[in-house]
Amino acid sequence: TQLLEQSPQFLSIQEGENLTVYCNSSSVFSSLQWYRQEPGEGPVLLVTVVTGGEVKKLKRLTFQFGDARKDSSLHITAAQPGDTGLYLCAGHHNDYKLSFGAGTTVTVRA
Amino acid sequence: GAGVSQSPRYKVAKRGQDVALRCDPISGHVSLFWYQQALGQGPEFLTYFQNEAQLDKSGLPSDRFFAERPEGSVSTLKIQRTQQEDSAVYLCASSLSGLRGRRNQHFGDGTRLSIL
Repeated sequence: TQLLEQSPQFLSIQEGENLTVYCNSSSVFSSLQWYRQEPGEGPVLLVTVVTGGEVKKLKRLTFQFGDARKDSSLHITAAQPGDTGLYLCAGHHNDYKLSFGAGTTVTVRA
Repeated sequence: GAGVSQSPRYKVAKRGQDVALRCDPISGHVSLFWYQQALGQGPEFLTYFQNEAQLDKSGLPSDRFFAERPEGSVSTLKIQRTQQEDSAVYLCASSLSGLRGRRNQHFGDGTRLSIL
């Protein structure tokens, strides 16, 4: 059972378009992370957000942590085919335990 | 290599057989985690080691699952009397410490287990 709900489950867009992926929970997390996972590989950490209301930018990716620390979003501007992958959010309950969402599969068509 | 290494990459077993999956964490990493990722799902926590001590095994699905890390480095996840529902990708991750600020987990590429 995933405590974090991600939406949409699948997203297919044309190169150059923008996209937003959402991660929601009824639980409060001490921090939340976003990962990208490609087929046959393990998840790779993109960002960690800690403070409610925090916004972090990583090139064309913008991550936001909700004020109540229960939800987060990932926005990609001018998506490229290299952005294709499974995007996972994960929340820390304590110092070590991570709970993952089911992920959003993003496909960017050239 | 510098990353987390898992072997084998693929494992096919018949229902009822025992399997052992190996994880070599990043050298010097104190914490080690095992996750199970079913098709179309995110990883689900199985167990956590700090050095050789298994501090949390709350995610292990049944007593058929057993994990060890006897010398605080390499870890093995063993599944006895495998069943079809055990088919999944098993991911291992390590982190420098369990403490805040140094807890980013580095994942291996996983072992894909298929039970026939």
